[in-house]
Amino acid sequence: KAGVTQTPRYLIKTRGQQVTLSCSPISGHRSVSWYQQTPGQGLQFLFEYFSETQRNKGNFPGRFSGRQFSNSRSEMNVSTLELGDSALYLCASSLGGGGNQPQHFGDGTRLSIL
Amino acid sequence: QQQVKQSPQSLIVQKGGISIINCAYENTAFDYFPWYQQFPGKGPALLIAIRPDVSEKKEGRFTISFNKSAKQFSLHIMDSQPGDSATYFCAVSPRSGGYQKVTFGIGTKLQVIP
Repeated sequence: KAGVTQTPRYLIKTRGQQVTLSCSPISGHRSVSWYQQTPGQGLQFLFEYFSETQRNKGNFPGRFSGRQFSNSRSEMNVSTLELGDSALYLCASSLGGGGNQPQHFGDGTRLSIL
Repeated sequence: QQQVKQSPQSLIVQKGGISIINCAYENTAFDYFPWYQQFPGKGPALLIAIRPDVSEKKEGRFTISFNKSAKQFSLHIMDSQPGDSATYFCAVSPRSGGYQKVTFGIGTKLQVIP
């Protein structure tokens, strides 16, 4: 069974640009969550999607947005990029249905802002 | 606010020794306590998880000890091996509210030296 796939693996952007990251969950998983990982802040929850609906959102500005498609694939968008957005962005999928479901992570997209 | 406090942030253990990582939480509404293991360049992977109705769970060399009254839980790695060198994250998740909202600790970088 294929794992969670994130593309691209690496991305370099400049301030003010926007970026779209993609996540393909494990087949059959309906919940997709996104996290930002930085050395100083650890893993911080961005948002979670289930059946194309955002169920939960973390404390990030509106520049961070996402969506989920009918096949459960998800995209995350960051507009007006800032230097502080440099991070590893991780996607995790789970079967869905509640907060006690084990999450399966992809290997992330490393975003660098110049 | 920091909902889960993890310590230490770094740990060096000799091969064959016991590695111990501690986490403390504040909100009694949490009822799922997973531990994740992350190797460089990879996403976190679920290692072991516990629910508050048990005080200990063991899987191979990995054991979670849970103290509900103290709101603390810890990961013990017995007979630590160099291959265990990784970053470990504890996490907490609320009672099922129909959505994922996992909060992670800051992480512990474990180095097992031969």
